[in-house]
Amino acid sequence: NAGVTQTPKFQVLKTGQSMTLQCAQDMNHEYMSWYRQDPGMGLRLIHYSVGAGITDQGEVPNGYNVSRSTTEDFPLRLLSAAPSQTSVYFCASSYRTSGWGGELFFGEGSRLTVL
Amino acid sequence: EDKVVQSPLSLVVHEGDTVTLNCSYEVTNFRSLLWYKQEKKAPTFLFMLTSSGIEKKSGRLSSILDKKELSSILNITATQTGDSAIYLCAAYNFGNEKLTFGTGTRLTIIP
Repeated sequence: NAGVTQTPKFQVLKTGQSMTLQCAQDMNHEYMSWYRQDPGMGLRLIHYSVGAGITDQGEVPNGYNVSRSTTEDFPLRLLSAAPSQTSVYFCASSYRTSGWGGELFFGEGSRLTVL
Repeated sequence: EDKVVQSPLSLVVHEGDTVTLNCSYEVTNFRSLLWYKQEKKAPTFLFMLTSSGIEKKSGRLSSILDKKELSSILNITATQTGDSAIYLCAAYNFGNEKLTFGTGTRLTIIP
């Protein structure tokens, strides 16, 4: 049971390049989400998914795409990287039972630098 | 738009002191208030509060929710250097299923 696995852990991109941050969980969690963390800004929700085939936008979705073709995987795509996307990205997941209160299990994070 | 505000933004205390961290929220369809601790990497879960006035406790840490005041506090007694971390507060909106975080309080414990 690996929990929430994010790859890569570190990445440096040039402005305009594209890349995908991978997130996989082996806990059969319905709910998966992506957050970015910047100094002094806390965690901000980018996109989230309540099940395979269903995605929705969070607080800061611009410049990012997601898809959820399987329960296990929730990749985050940057189509044309910008320096403003330099951040630490966290993937998080959870069960989504009736009465769920939002508790999330986090991956270790991916540090992205855009030059 | 849902909003969570934490105060203070940072706090420096000596080992053995007691600290109180504050969190206030404006969330439609509010269900729960959560506290996380973040050291070097991923946030780790501390507490989830759903009922007003009921204290949750784990060792030297405790937390309580006040739904009337739309706020919560996290208390840490007899602080230790291992308590140095960023403490994050988050509120869950069951209508849109989003968890909104505050900016965090950076706590530093001086030996």
